[in-house]
Amino acid sequence: QSVLTQPPSVSAAPGQKVTITCSGNSLISGKNYVSWYQHVPGRVPRLIIYDNDKRPSGIADRFSGSKSGTSATLGITGLQTGDEADYYCGTWDSSLSFGGFGGGTKLTVL
Amino acid sequence: QVQLVQSGAEVKRPGASMKVSCKTSGYPFRTYDIIWVRQAPGQGLEWMGWISPYNDNPSTKYAQRFQGRVAMTTDTSTNTAYLELRSLRSDDTAVYYCARLGFYLDSNGYSFDFWGQGTLVTVSS
Repeated sequence: QSVLTQPPSVSAAPGQKVTITCSGNSLISGKNYVSWYQHVPGRVPRLIIYDNDKRPSGIADRFSGSKSGTSATLGITGLQTGDEADYYCGTWDSSLSFGGFGGGTKLTVL
Repeated sequence: QVQLVQSGAEVKRPGASMKVSCKTSGYPFRTYDIIWVRQAPGQGLEWMGWISPYNDNPSTKYAQRFQGRVAMTTDTSTNTAYLELRSLRSDDTAVYYCARLGFYLDSNGYSFDFWGQGTLVTVSS
């Protein structure tokens, strides 16, 4: 069902750094941009990265994003227990009016 | 402030229809498109479709797997978007979200910047 591919889970200790990858086909190549969402179960998904690498106001600079070709990466440094959540990459193709998400990656802060 | 407030939880029988509302406030409704997303138990986010309320006859685009049994509509008099799904099955049990397709001043692309709180729809006999 997911149009983008993410690892199902990642884990790291508090204070460490983790990266989450997101790969896809032409949907995230070229002019399409990747966004990232933090979703704590039972709460509303929150946008944390847009346009591949930009942070909305209020999002800590511990969160970063990058994109190369048909892959994107979310980085989180200085891990905190409060960062435990499911993280999703997403994209929107304006020419097709079509969107999609990765399958989600569960982050565990050990 | 921008808000998207969804209707409450529903329980439906297989074969029935559901209709979830998403009332928006805090921004010009016609200027921003709305998408619908669902999350089934234990599953990830699934994009269902898009609606643009810009024109009097809104444009829509639906994910292929929902074609034929989904309808997205808007009411500009109440700034509300609606999701209707027909011929419900047990695997339609999910939390359904509306989200705004937004952009920032420094944006080159779009992202889903504000979300509704989610509506749990349970399909069970």
